Order: sequence, then structure tokens, then C-alpha cells
Amino acid sequence: QVQLQESGPGLVKPSETLSLTCAVSGYSISSAYYWGWIRQPPGKGLEWIGSMHHSGSTFYNPSLKSRVTISVDTSKNQFSLKLNSLTAADTAVYYCAREDRTGASRGSGYWGQGTLVTVSS
Amino acid sequence: QTVVTQEPSLTVSPGGTVTLTCASNTGAVTSGYYPNWFHQKPGQAPRALIYSTSNKYSWTPARFSGSLLGDKAALTLSGVQPEDEADYYCLLYYGGSWVFGGGTKLTVL
Repeated sequence: QVQLQESGPGLVKPSETLSLTCAVSGYSISSAYYWGWIRQPPGKGLEWIGSMHHSGSTFYNPSLKSRVTISVDTSKNQFSLKLNSLTAADTAVYYCAREDRTGASRGSGYWGQGTLVTVSS
Repeated sequence: QTVVTQEPSLTVSPGGTVTLTCASNTGAVTSGYYPNWFHQKPGQAPRALIYSTSNKYSWTPARFSGSLLGDKAALTLSGVQPEDEADYYCLLYYGGSWVFGGGTKLTVL
């Protein structure tokens, strides 16, 4: 059973960089799939941030691309999100997810429980 | 800017049938947009229901089905249960990036 678990600081200051990690169990991230991030501001909808394959192939939301970096650590079976130049608008629950981009089968079936990140001084 | 549009809210009676739709401002939604559907209950993470238009996950109840309806993607719930009350999101693929719809709040009343 694939499980994903986010971790990271719950409070970050404006202009600083957010760093989150997603630990994966039940599946080796070096086997296949893309590994990505989605966020949800309080009371609002979902926003796809981006995803990465262990080979290095990466896709980012164009609206966030200049501020986002996703990386994969196969030795620890985890992947990470960095988002810089934070503002209050980045306050959200951040979810990590496994993303399938294989042929005709595309989607995000497995998600973490999410972690709330508040941007405030 | 790409915009994916869903009905803001819908109401259905227990046991009834309801269809939620997902439209794109770029034109008709086809299978090449690989429509996905999720539902989310208060305080919980979203849960995937449908991928690539009409494929179900092992945990997806049989009463949920996905399709293309006209120029939109659609999620139909047949025999709605009280526990189906939730927010529903569609997700479309745009040649590398994904875009979520704004969500539909489904009330079972």
C-alpha cells in the first residue's frame, strides 16, 4: 500500500523560502511515476504546483515556475518542494501526490494527508 | 490563462442521480485532457475517484462513473448516498501541466 507523508515547518516568514518533504512508503520512487505537489489555500480550491520524475524530468505550473523547485532523493525514498519569495498568498495546505503520466493512464491516485503552511511574520 | 469551470454547487436527493461537469476555456474537453475527478470531505485530503476520463480506482464505489458529455468531462453519481456530500474537483491535462477546476459543492438533501 503506497503511503505519502508530508513534513515541514508550519510557519514561515514572508520573503523566506518554504521547504517541505514527502516521505514515500510502500513503493520505490526510483521505479516509476512522477512525484508532485498540490496546494489548497484555506477555504479555496486546489492548485497543481508541479511534479518530477526520478530521471530529472520536471513539470511546473507556469504561474509558479519562477519560484518553485522540486527534487527527488531516491536514497531516502522521498521528494521535496522549495518555494521562495513567500507572501501571505502562499498560505495553504500543501499535499504531495504520486502522479501517473504513462500512456493513456494519467492521474494522481495517491495523496498525502497534507500539511498546513502559514506565511506570517 | 487556462480556466477549468465546474458548477459551483449542486443539490441532489438521496437515491437520486446527479451529473457534475468540467469545461475548459480552450475548447472541447476530449480524452486527451485525461480528465480526473476527486472528492474532498471537510478536514480531509482529496480522494481520487476517476482517472483518464472513465477509469476507476480499486476503491471507487460503483455508483461513480466518468464520461465525456458534449464538450465537457462529466462525473455521474447514481443512487446518491448521504456520505457523497462533499466538494468535487476535476483535473485536466494540458500538455505537461495540470489544471484543477474550481470545484462543485454537492449537497445531499
